[in-house]
Amino acid sequence: QSVLTQPPSVSGAPGQRVTISCTGSSSNIGAGCDVHWYRQLPGTAPKLLIYGNNNRPSGVPDRFSGSKSGTSASLAITGLQAEDEADYYCQSYDSSLSGSVFGGGTKLTVL
Amino acid sequence: QVQLQESGPGLVKPSGTLSLTCAVSGGSISSSNWWSWIRQPPGKGLEWIGEIYHSGSTNYNPSLKSRVTISVDKSKNQFSLKLSSVTAADTAVYYCARNEGSGQKAYWYFDLWGRGTLVTVSS
Repeated sequence: QSVLTQPPSVSGAPGQRVTISCTGSSSNIGAGCDVHWYRQLPGTAPKLLIYGNNNRPSGVPDRFSGSKSGTSASLAITGLQAEDEADYYCQSYDSSLSGSVFGGGTKLTVL
Repeated sequence: QVQLQESGPGLVKPSGTLSLTCAVSGGSISSSNWWSWIRQPPGKGLEWIGEIYHSGSTNYNPSLKSRVTISVDKSKNQFSLKLSSVTAADTAVYYCARNEGSGQKAYWYFDLWGRGTLVTVSS
């Protein structure tokens, strides 16, 4: 059972907008710790997608955006493309555990 | 550009010790970054194992702390993971990663990952 909670799956049609939620607690997201997002294609290592709640690394298109409020965060993907089909993970720091924690991951299916 | 490469046995016997090394190339392990090990059981999510600084300072996941040792070899520009008393539940792809972010750990993320190596625990 992951410290951060994500929906197991989300789906959307090409061109649509989807969001993936990440719910934490007062010892991680609610404590002001940043939330980061990773995308993992099958058989490959996770790749940083969003850092510091809403910042994109170089090369990540602006179709991807992040937000954070209270004890939760969200990843939004607009203009959905077939290549966006992947697993997405949120990550933060937990002060009670004194370490990094991940969400359980969300599988995005492009219909 | 900095690259990470995991190496080590792909098969470990139950009750044995899993040993992996992460070689850092294109950069120095003695930079201002911390370095982490993260694992992913087949078909499951990611789990942070622990992290190390080039000084040798470490932090471990409390759930694994009694079995984990992470060390650094600055002369070889690499860091290593040892996980003792392994069971089938330790079967996973093990990744090494670079911690990034300024200031407090509350802001840290993993900006660089190795390709990962599958370790199977089986007799």
